[in-house]
Amino acid sequence: KAGVTQTPRYLIKTRGQQVTLSCSPISGHRSVSWYQQTPGQGLQFLFEYFSETQRNKGNFPGRFSGRQFSNSRSEMNVSTLELGDSALYLCASSLGAGQGAYEQYFGPGTRLTVT
Amino acid sequence: GDSVTQMEGPVTLSEEAFLTINCTYTATGYPSLFWYVQYPGEGLQLLLKATKADDKGSNKGFEATYRKETTSFHLEKGSVQVSDSAVYFCALGGGYQKVTFGTGTKLQVIP
Repeated sequence: KAGVTQTPRYLIKTRGQQVTLSCSPISGHRSVSWYQQTPGQGLQFLFEYFSETQRNKGNFPGRFSGRQFSNSRSEMNVSTLELGDSALYLCASSLGAGQGAYEQYFGPGTRLTVT
Repeated sequence: GDSVTQMEGPVTLSEEAFLTINCTYTATGYPSLFWYVQYPGEGLQLLLKATKADDKGSNKGFEATYRKETTSFHLEKGSVQVSDSAVYFCALGGGYQKVTFGTGTKLQVIP
């Protein structure tokens, strides 16, 4: 079974621009979660989508948004980029329901640098 | 809400030393518990899990036992190797249908 894939792996953007990151979950997984990881703040939860609906949300400003498509693929968008948005963005997929619902499998991440 | 508390790092050990990384949790109901490992430049990998009280999860020589009476899930390994150097995350899943991660503990093993 193929693992979680994230594209692109590396991205350099300028302050004020917007960016879209993509995540393809493991086949059969209906839940996709997004995390921001920085040296100073550690691993922070952004949001989770389950069957195309946002089920959980972390404490991030509205500049951070996401969506999930009918094939469970997910995208995350950050508008009006700030220097502090430089981070590793991780996507994780899971079944989301039933036995093994919370067993998350992570992608390699997208390294975003904002200059 | 749910929370996970891990011991602060970094933890530095000599090769073949015994490892313990403490993890305690606060949760409603009966959560599942996990340990994840993150090697430099990579995403997190599921290391082991336990889904009910007294379950012992194990993988690659690592073990952790789900202790409901002490709300703990400490990670142990009898003899660490340089290749075990990584960041270890404790996590719980189940409350409010979400997964909650600890802050991570960096382990450095020196030859």
